[in-house]
Amino acid sequence: DQQVKQNSPSLSVQEGRISILNCDYTNSMFDYFLWYKKYPAEGPTFLISISSIKDKNEDGRFTVFLNKSAKHLSLHIVPSQPGDSAVYFCAARSGTGNQFYFGTGTSLTVIP
Amino acid sequence: EAQVTQNPRYLITVTGKKLTVTCSQNMNHEYMSWYRQDPGLGLRQIYYSMNVEVTDKGDVPEGYKVSRKEKRNFPLILESPSPNQTSLYFCASSLSVYTIEAFFGQGTRLTVV
Repeated sequence: DQQVKQNSPSLSVQEGRISILNCDYTNSMFDYFLWYKKYPAEGPTFLISISSIKDKNEDGRFTVFLNKSAKHLSLHIVPSQPGDSAVYFCAARSGTGNQFYFGTGTSLTVIP
Repeated sequence: EAQVTQNPRYLITVTGKKLTVTCSQNMNHEYMSWYRQDPGLGLRQIYYSMNVEVTDKGDVPEGYKVSRKEKRNFPLILESPSPNQTSLYFCASSLSVYTIEAFFGQGTRLTVV
């Protein structure tokens, strides 16, 4: 059963607006959550992470929010740019630190 | 340039013919892992290695083998490939098991007919 879920397969946003990508998880023992970005024909690249003891982490235009009680995290991109168009994967690390679990991805299209 | 290199990038093979997908990293990373990406299922971890000679099963290890005889290389072996192993495979490495960020290879598109 999928422990990390991304329920929106795709999202379209106008350039300059905010993109919000969502992710839900089931295992309360995950200790870190990550977002990866993937362009076609390339491997995923790390974007941003958050520890399970934090509720927000910001890096430039990217902010990740964690709501532990709801087992939900979100990635905000402000302002969105056409180069942000990619598939975004949410991932979580097991409490033992050995394994990673990924969501199914959300394809973001930023319209110029 | 720091990178994770997978070979081949594309492979079409027949059921039952043993194959190896190679993965090499030049960053002196301790932790390496293999994933497969399938539509509707995202990336699923097949095997991982915390260091040389230390490997362990991920979420979907059935039908795969790995070895870690040296730090830089982590080959994925399919002893008897089957059509349900048709997938996009990614190798990844990170500095250690304690490191969050992983570096991924460009992927290997495998088709088993």
